Amino acid sequence: ETGVTQSPTHLIKTRGQQVTLRCSSQSGHNTVSWYQQALGQGPQFIFQYYREEENGRGNFPPRFSGLQFPNYSSELNVNALELDDSALYLCAITTTGRMGEQYFGPGTRLTVT
Amino acid sequence: KQEVTQIPAALSVPEGENLVLNCSFTDSAIYNLQWFRQDPGKGLTSLLLIQSSQREQTSGRLNASLDKSSGRSTLYIAASQPGDSATYLCAGTGTASKLTFGTGTRLQVTL
Repeated sequence: ETGVTQSPTHLIKTRGQQVTLRCSSQSGHNTVSWYQQALGQGPQFIFQYYREEENGRGNFPPRFSGLQFPNYSSELNVNALELDDSALYLCAITTTGRMGEQYFGPGTRLTVT
Repeated sequence: KQEVTQIPAALSVPEGENLVLNCSFTDSAIYNLQWFRQDPGKGLTSLLLIQSSQREQTSGRLNASLDKSSGRSTLYIAASQPGDSATYLCAGTGTASKLTFGTGTRLQVTL
């Protein structure tokens, strides 16, 4: 049990729509990262937030954006959805006490039709 | 740019066998190396974390090693069980806690 929760579990959207995915942890860790995992692939780093500010970004376009709130929960927003955005979206918190060990939530499965 | 490769892509073994999963990475300047397990359609479960100053970590039937000079890590599973069937992913951590993942090894342990 990682204590990291994500909502919703599954989501179906139409191409061109916008989506918001949410992540929270029981202990309120101040570093949260988001990853995209396409079917049969390893997760790809989208971006990371540390104390409410973006702290690193992977090779994803600006229509992928995020927020981190004072309670350290986080949102991933994707605008103008494309079919290739269909994937499992994972958030992870970093336990600073363990030199950067990351614990993942169960993910949100997004299907774009 | 860090690249992580895992071999084999898939592996099937009978119950009770010991097995080794391989992970190689191109940039030796990793902060640490983490092994994960992923069940179908689920999130990632952290199995072992090896810091850059360490050479191995053990947890129960699992043992992971790290050789930064050769850019390799291995995950050893002793006395495999059907419940070990899953995809195993390794990931190297660079700066800012960014994880770079391999594509995983899909393990099936048969009765």
